[in-house]
Amino acid sequence: RKEVEQDPGPFNVPEGATVAFNCTYSNSASQSFFWYRQDCRKEPKLLMSVYSSGNEDGRFTAQLNRASQYISLLIRDSKLSDSATYLCVVNIKSSASKIIFGSGTRLSIRP
Amino acid sequence: EAQVTQNPRYLITVTGKKLTVTCSQNMNHEYMSWYRQDPGLGLRQIYYSMNVEATDKGDVPEGYKVSRKEKRNFPLILESPSPNQTSLYFCASSPGQIYGYTFGSGTRLTVV
Repeated sequence: RKEVEQDPGPFNVPEGATVAFNCTYSNSASQSFFWYRQDCRKEPKLLMSVYSSGNEDGRFTAQLNRASQYISLLIRDSKLSDSATYLCVVNIKSSASKIIFGSGTRLSIRP
Repeated sequence: EAQVTQNPRYLITVTGKKLTVTCSQNMNHEYMSWYRQDPGLGLRQIYYSMNVEATDKGDVPEGYKVSRKEKRNFPLILESPSPNQTSLYFCASSPGQIYGYTFGSGTRLTVV
């Protein structure tokens, strides 16, 4: 079983739609959680951290469920510019700097 | 501008010819890390560093070396590159374990 698992997609949704991604992690000692976005052939960029109480940044909402060991990302009112690959990232507490990336979920927004 | 700078952006080399990919950050970050990204395999950690003179292996360290003599620099060394090291490489830095990483623009390496 992979340490961090994501649905690879692709998700193809119309502009303005709401889309949600889930990500599961296997190590219960995981400490920090993030969502990154990566455009084709570019570097990953931090989208948002994920806090235990859930957090929102504009059209993006991230949630953490420690009991079920998953994190989620919700994108409301999707824009064409949201088309990218979204990477779930988990920082494992037991090892400093041990960061595990999910394989990513591809999102394509159509006009 | 706060950034992580990698060089070169593109490199084609031959099997066995030693090469170094440089990485420098200007944010005074303690943590630095190298990743390779391959289709279907995602990002895999090669080596990481928690501070000067403190480095450790990631998931795929074979065939690579690193050093951290100064806080800002974290070069990746391939002593004898092989074709299976053809990949897209990213350097990244972070101020601490609970913070996200800032990535460099990547180095696309081809070993023939």
